[in-house]
Amino acid sequence: VQLVQSGAEVKKPGSSVKVSCKTSGGNFSTSVINWVRQAPGQGLEWMGEFIPIFGTAKYAQKFQGRVTLTADKSTNTAYMELTSLRSDETAVFFCTTARSVVDPFDVWGQGTLVTVSS
Amino acid sequence: SYMLTQPPSVSVAPGKTATITCGGDNIGDKSVHWNQQKPGQAPVVVIFYDSARPSGIPERFSGSNSGNTATLTISRVAAGDEADYYCQVWDSGVDHWVFGGGTKLTVL
Repeated sequence: VQLVQSGAEVKKPGSSVKVSCKTSGGNFSTSVINWVRQAPGQGLEWMGEFIPIFGTAKYAQKFQGRVTLTADKSTNTAYMELTSLRSDETAVFFCTTARSVVDPFDVWGQGTLVTVSS
Repeated sequence: SYMLTQPPSVSVAPGKTATITCGGDNIGDKSVHWNQQKPGQAPVVVIFYDSARPSGIPERFSGSNSGNTATLTISRVAAGDEADYYCQVWDSGVDHWVFGGGTKLTVL
């Protein structure tokens, strides 16, 4: 399985960003797609998960209301949209897959840097 | 919410054994996964379900979990093991994943 994410973005405070994560190999529909944020020099932060076969999403409380996870099964692509970006939210966003909601993350995308700056 | 505590840094001489801890309330009742992240790269799981090793991960990597502490042990440490290591658990109380703050392993 390979996960290929969209390229780096520069966004202004208050705007939104949508990051894509295209999977190849494996079974996209039955996987769980997780999203993880990492601010520069900081640790890993789980944002939420999306299960394509059910079309269901679960979000970390910290991001509830600002993040939307979706997927397009026809193209095996998952998406993460984060709104109301703040100037202190520059970070790398990773998509990663797991076999189930409680299984470890076995494959990671390369990461997408989102720079928030006016 | 559930919290995981890791030492910010661990230093070890080449060929020696590195021990990285992950503390949490009754963490022994949970399954712990360990992720290795080298600079500029995505994380990679090196230990899952407390002590299992994915294919391709050297036998030098091992894990244990009991009581309030999970431990990642790297024996015969090499320069290539320098990385940040994150423990990870599923918090079933709120159905969320939780990461430890990460430990930077330095090979002297």
